[in-house]
Amino acid sequence: GIQVEQSPPDLILQEGANSTLRCNFSDSVNNLQWFHQNPWGQLINLFYIPSGTKQNGRLSATTVATERYSLLYISSSQTTDSGVYFCAATGNQFYFGTGTSLTVIP
Amino acid sequence: GAVVSQHPSWVICKSGTSVKIECRSLDFQATTMFWYRQFPKQSLMLMATSNEGSKATYEQGVEKDKFLINHASLTLSTLTVTSAHPEDSSFYICSVDRGYGYTFGSGTRLTVV
Repeated sequence: GIQVEQSPPDLILQEGANSTLRCNFSDSVNNLQWFHQNPWGQLINLFYIPSGTKQNGRLSATTVATERYSLLYISSSQTTDSGVYFCAATGNQFYFGTGTSLTVIP
Repeated sequence: GAVVSQHPSWVICKSGTSVKIECRSLDFQATTMFWYRQFPKQSLMLMATSNEGSKATYEQGVEKDKFLINHASLTLSTLTVTSAHPEDSSFYICSVDRGYGYTFGSGTRLTVV
């Protein structure tokens, strides 16, 4: 199956800082999504982005399918951004990445 | 997007008992639903694909007789953890694919004591 690797595994930011999270996938994918898992476990869909660039407020994402990676940008981070960020890609099933645990400190 | 309701949110049960978790697709008729398991500080792993009106497809290493899946209607899939043991304690979460992205339920935290 598809291997989905995320980096960095852990990230600590000062409130207001910007960050970039990376997702590499090992094969062609039909779908790529970014999720934020809050402390209660809920997976919040951030972006459905098999290719191209999308923006939603302080968040944006870019997927370069030909080079098999996707980036999630968080600008002006807030403490509520803390949690685990997952990317997930569809090959013959939906494969989750290893996750990035983000902590934003005031 | 699709709204997926999962119940219960959390459950504590005694070792040896069975627990049923429900996953409902509230605004989308889902012929297929997916069940994942997540251990603490780990990623989500697909357990099985639930197929409406037919048998579920289980991933390698997942015991069919322990994790019973029933998908009797286009809006409801259930996962029953039979004869639960402490090692089954985990976070279970279901999802629906609408064709343009997966939407997840709120998850069920199972603790077996």
